[in-house]
Amino acid sequence: GIQVEQSPPDLILQEGANSTLRCNFSDSVNNLQWFHQNPWGQLINLFYIPSGTKQNGRLSATTVATERYSLLYISSSQTTDSGVYFCAVGSGGSYIPTFGRGTSLIVHP
Amino acid sequence: KAGVTQTPRYLIKTRGQQVTLSCSPISGHRSVSWYQQTPGQGLQFLFEYFSETQRNKGNFPGRFSGRQFSNSRSEMNVSTLELGDSALYLCASSQKGGANEQFFGPGTRLTVL
Repeated sequence: GIQVEQSPPDLILQEGANSTLRCNFSDSVNNLQWFHQNPWGQLINLFYIPSGTKQNGRLSATTVATERYSLLYISSSQTTDSGVYFCAVGSGGSYIPTFGRGTSLIVHP
Repeated sequence: KAGVTQTPRYLIKTRGQQVTLSCSPISGHRSVSWYQQTPGQGLQFLFEYFSETQRNKGNFPGRFSGRQFSNSRSEMNVSTLELGDSALYLCASSQKGGANEQFFGPGTRLTVL
C-alpha cells in the first residue's frame, strides 16, 4: 500500500513564528487531506487538497502530486495551533485513506 | 446544528467480550466513517457507511463490523476483544462522504483488560 511520511515528527515554536510541515507519499494519489488533532483529542479536517494550493486564514496547503508531496504552512502561529497535524492520502475509486504518523506541534506563548 | 456525538465516551472491557459503540452524525449528513487511533499503529480507517450501506472498508479483521440506520446513526461492533483493540475510536460525519469535508466526534476511549 501507499506509504506516507511526515516531517518533522516534532516541532516547537514561539508564538508568532511561521512553520512548514511536509507530507511525502510513495505513489500517485487522487485524494489528500490535512487534519489537526488538538491536545484534547478533537480531530478537525483542515484541507482536502489532492493538488494545487488552498488557503484558510493563517493556514495554507500546497500539493505537488507529480512529485508526491504536500506542504502545510502555518503563519503567525498561536498557542491554539498546538497539537498533531496528520495528512492522509488515498488512491483509486474508493475512499480508504492512509494516514501519516503526524507532526506534533507545540507553540509556546 | 448539534455536532457529532459518540457514546459512550469511555469504556472498559475484558478480553473476549464484545463491545458496541455508537455515533450520531450531524443532522442531514448521510455518511459516517470510523477510525481507530492507537499509539502503535496511529490513525487507521475502519469503514464508511453511506445511506445504510457500507461503502468502503479498511484492512481490519472481521471482528470489526458496523451498521448504519435509516436516521444515519451508526454503530460499530468489535467481537472477541483483544488487548490490542484498546484505542480511541473516532467517527466522522459528512454530507457527501469519501474525502469530502468531515466533522469528527470526540471519540470513544476503549480499554481492554
